[in-house]
Amino acid sequence: QVQLVHSGAEVKKPGASVKVSCTASGYTFTEDYMHWVRQAPGQGLEWMGWINPDSGGTNYAEKFQGRVSMTRDTSTSTVSLEVNRLASADTALYSCVRGGLSAWYPPEFWGQGTLVTVSS
Amino acid sequence: NFMLTQPHSVSESPGKTITISCTASSGRIASNYVQWYQQRPGHTPTTVIYEDNLRPSGVPDRFSGSIDSSSNSASLTISGLSIEDEADYYCQSYDNNNQGWVFGGGTRLTVL
Repeated sequence: QVQLVHSGAEVKKPGASVKVSCTASGYTFTEDYMHWVRQAPGQGLEWMGWINPDSGGTNYAEKFQGRVSMTRDTSTSTVSLEVNRLASADTALYSCVRGGLSAWYPPEFWGQGTLVTVSS
Repeated sequence: NFMLTQPHSVSESPGKTITISCTASSGRIASNYVQWYQQRPGHTPTTVIYEDNLRPSGVPDRFSGSIDSSSNSASLTISGLSIEDEADYYCQSYDNNNQGWVFGGGTRLTVL
């Protein structure tokens, strides 16, 4: 069955960077786009961007351009998200979400997410 | 920018019917499919409607979706409300300009 296993929770200070990862299994990793969605405590879902695991191509939401980077490792079926210049407003659950064959395909499977806490 | 706007909350009694709206701005709602997700506290979202009005297997037929081009909005209707329907509901679509997903702000459903 499909699984998306996230790296463990992180606590960071303002201004620092964080890198979280998500390892996929149960399907062909390079077939489907992978998106990152975050959810701050008590808040809604916020799309951050996608990566094409086959080509490595990326597209980031305008809000995050210049501050996030998405990468993939096809040998381990892992996608990673790095967020720089963290602020308290970045405290959230960061989840990888399997999409489909093209960027427009909707969310197909949600990972459990990695909690990132930004606090001085 | 393409945005989806939902009411913050809605409440109704068990057995009744509610409709949650999802209104598009800066774009046509019918340009791309709309999905609806249910999220209970502490859980990941699950799909209750996809491609505007289709239900995944296992979702009761009390859930239905529709699109209204005249009001540029999508709607999720839940009939025969039960306590188990209490959750946050999010609409989602695709922004052709930014080539990415767009989520509505979410609607908290309370069944009291």
